[in-house]
Amino acid sequence: QSALTQPRSVSGSPGQSVTISCTGTSSETTSYYNYVSWYQQHPGKAPKLVIYDVSKRPPGVPDRFSGSKSGTTASLTISGLQAEDESEYFCCSYAGSYTWVFGGGTNLTVL
Amino acid sequence: EVQLLQSGGGLVQPGGSLRLYCAASGFTFNNYAMSWVRRAPGKGLEWLSTIGATDGKTYYAASVKGRFAISRDNSKNMLFLQLNNLRSEDTAVYFCARADYSSSDRFDPWGQGDLVTVSS
Repeated sequence: QSALTQPRSVSGSPGQSVTISCTGTSSETTSYYNYVSWYQQHPGKAPKLVIYDVSKRPPGVPDRFSGSKSGTTASLTISGLQAEDESEYFCCSYAGSYTWVFGGGTNLTVL
Repeated sequence: EVQLLQSGGGLVQPGGSLRLYCAASGFTFNNYAMSWVRRAPGKGLEWLSTIGATDGKTYYAASVKGRFAISRDNSKNMLFLQLNNLRSEDTAVYFCARADYSSSDRFDPWGQGDLVTVSS
């Protein structure tokens, strides 16, 4: 059972915004919640980093992708949805003692 | 271009062993920790192990500690994962990833993935 809870699925129409939540369920992960990253994984492909350290965006990732945190819940927001954003998204948090934990993943459908 | 190229996966019987390889290029390998992550069929990503850049320190998830061993050869820019006493639940696509937890926290980039199937 993951220590990070994500919704199984979210959806939105092209041009709309969607937000995917990631809630810590253990004290270990919530203690290190400045170290949340988000990964996009298309079927059969390797995960790709889209957000790190809660809200930082790597070079090459569109500014439509943004991250935030409130309390024990981190969020990934994708604005101006595009067809190519349809994918699975995973959050990840440092869990202390040089261990990491991923959320269960959220399938984003662009309607 | 920063690149991680994986090899070594395949079909193995329960109780068997396998070694996964990850060849790094395009960056100074011994400046970075490295990690392994897997994705089992129908499941999400699972962090497995991380090795320090030069100190040899290793870290494991409870699910694989004692069965899997991570190692690296900085002279050859290679990362390894030795999988022992394999179980059917170890069937998954295994990814290597560059780990950065010094000034930030992220896995980037990732290898292309390598399928390990544990079955008789």
